[in-house]
Amino acid sequence: DIVMTQSPDSLAVSLGERATINCKSSQSLLYSSNNKNYLAWYQQKPGQPPKLLIYRASTREFGVPDRFSGSGSGTDFTLTISSLQAEDVAVYYCQQYYSTPHSFGQGTMLEIK
Amino acid sequence: QITLKESGPTLVKPTQTLTLTCIFSGFSLNTSGVSVGWIRQPPGKALEWLALLYWDDDKRYSPSLENRLTITKDTSKNQVVLTMTNMNPVDTATYYCAHRNYFDGRGCYNPWGQGTLVTVSS
Repeated sequence: DIVMTQSPDSLAVSLGERATINCKSSQSLLYSSNNKNYLAWYQQKPGQPPKLLIYRASTREFGVPDRFSGSGSGTDFTLTISSLQAEDVAVYYCQQYYSTPHSFGQGTMLEIK
Repeated sequence: QITLKESGPTLVKPTQTLTLTCIFSGFSLNTSGVSVGWIRQPPGKALEWLALLYWDDDKRYSPSLENRLTITKDTSKNQVVLTMTNMNPVDTATYYCAHRNYFDGRGCYNPWGQGTLVTVSS
């Protein structure tokens, strides 16, 4: 099974500043046949289901603000919020869908400093 | 527009069997590449992947729960059912179902239902 590890567990960033969340997988998520990484990022606010932000490691879902970006390949990935807004306070999860079980990271709680 | 909604009991007793239904619209489980998954989240904790049912009736389970889980579909009713046997208080969680389409360019879980909170207590 692939183990997903996020860092940090929690993060406090000032409004307008950059927030960076890391995700590391125990195995490569790069699918050789199409050169795509099977890694997604979700945002979860209290009382709500997770919302897809980024898929295939770096493609922003429709309607997601362009301050959100994903990068990385293989086993190391990053979610970056370029300029933190108040509405970005949430827990962020990475998930691999390269092979079942489609495991999640433990989550990163993002707060305003 | 794709929507999913979970339904089932809010309270179950220890050792009982939980049956949850995911009713969906906006897609068909007869379509190649489409699947429905179940994920749970204990209060204040992380997401945990449980099971996945593909359009061709292929089924995948979490190895740690495989002996307790069964996932089935009723394509005519647009429903996916998850059963979990021998419920324990540690199984208290919000249970989500989610759509996945291997061929939609994403391949990940999108969208999700609103979730249903199941409490295990005597």
